[in-house]
Amino acid sequence: EDQVTQSPEALRLQEGESSSLNCSYTVSGLRGLFWYRQDPGKGPEFLFTLYSAGEEKEKERLKATLTKKESFLHITAPKPEDSATYLCAVRGGSQGNLIFGKGTKLSVKP
Amino acid sequence: ETGVTQTPRHLVMGMTNKKSLKCEQHLGHNAMYWYKQSAKKPLELMFVYNFKEQTENNSVPSRFSPECPNSSHLFLHLHTLQPEDSALYLCASSQDRGAVWGYTFGSGTRLTVV
Repeated sequence: EDQVTQSPEALRLQEGESSSLNCSYTVSGLRGLFWYRQDPGKGPEFLFTLYSAGEEKEKERLKATLTKKESFLHITAPKPEDSATYLCAVRGGSQGNLIFGKGTKLSVKP
Repeated sequence: ETGVTQTPRHLVMGMTNKKSLKCEQHLGHNAMYWYKQSAKKPLELMFVYNFKEQTENNSVPSRFSPECPNSSHLFLHLHTLQPEDSALYLCASSQDRGAVWGYTFGSGTRLTVV
C-alpha cells in the first residue's frame, strides 16, 4: 500500500535556527514527490516537485532533496513568515493520484 | 488569488439539511478533485473528475454527491451529514492527471455539522 510518513509532527525553531523536515514514502512506481506549504485557513500551496533520487530544488530559504526512500525539506535561517504546515505527497500507483502525509507544523519564533 | 475559488468559506449545517459546496477554476485545467482534510489526518481524496467525467470515487458515503457540469466548475452536494463529517473540504485542479506542477488548491470550505 502506498504510504507517506512525515516527521516530526511539529517543530519549533528560533529565527535563524536551520533544520530539516523528513518525508519517508513507500509507493509502487514513484512518479513525483511534491512539497506543499499550507497556512491556517488556506489551501496547500505548491512548492516543489522532485522526480528522481539525487534531485534537489531550491526556493529562497527552502531546499528539497530526494532519495529512493525519503525526501528532506531543509530550511536555512528560517524567519517567522516561514511558519506553516508543510505537506509532502507522492504520485504513484495505478491511478497516479497524490497521496499525502499528515504534515509537519513549523513554528518559527523571533 | 490561487486560481481556484471555493464558496462558501464557512458552513454550519444541521444533520437534516441539504447544502452544496462550489468550486470554480479558470486555469484551463482538465482535472478537478475533492479532498477532505481532518485534524491529525492526511488529506483524503474523495472524488476525481477528468474532462468532466468522474473517474474515481474513493468509497465515499452516498451522503456526499459530486457534480461536474463543465471543466471549470465542481460541486459537492451534501445531505443528512454526520458530526464526523465536519472538516475542511478542499477543491483542487490540475492540467491533467499527470501534471508536473501537481495540483492547485482552493482555500477550502470549513464545514461544521451540528
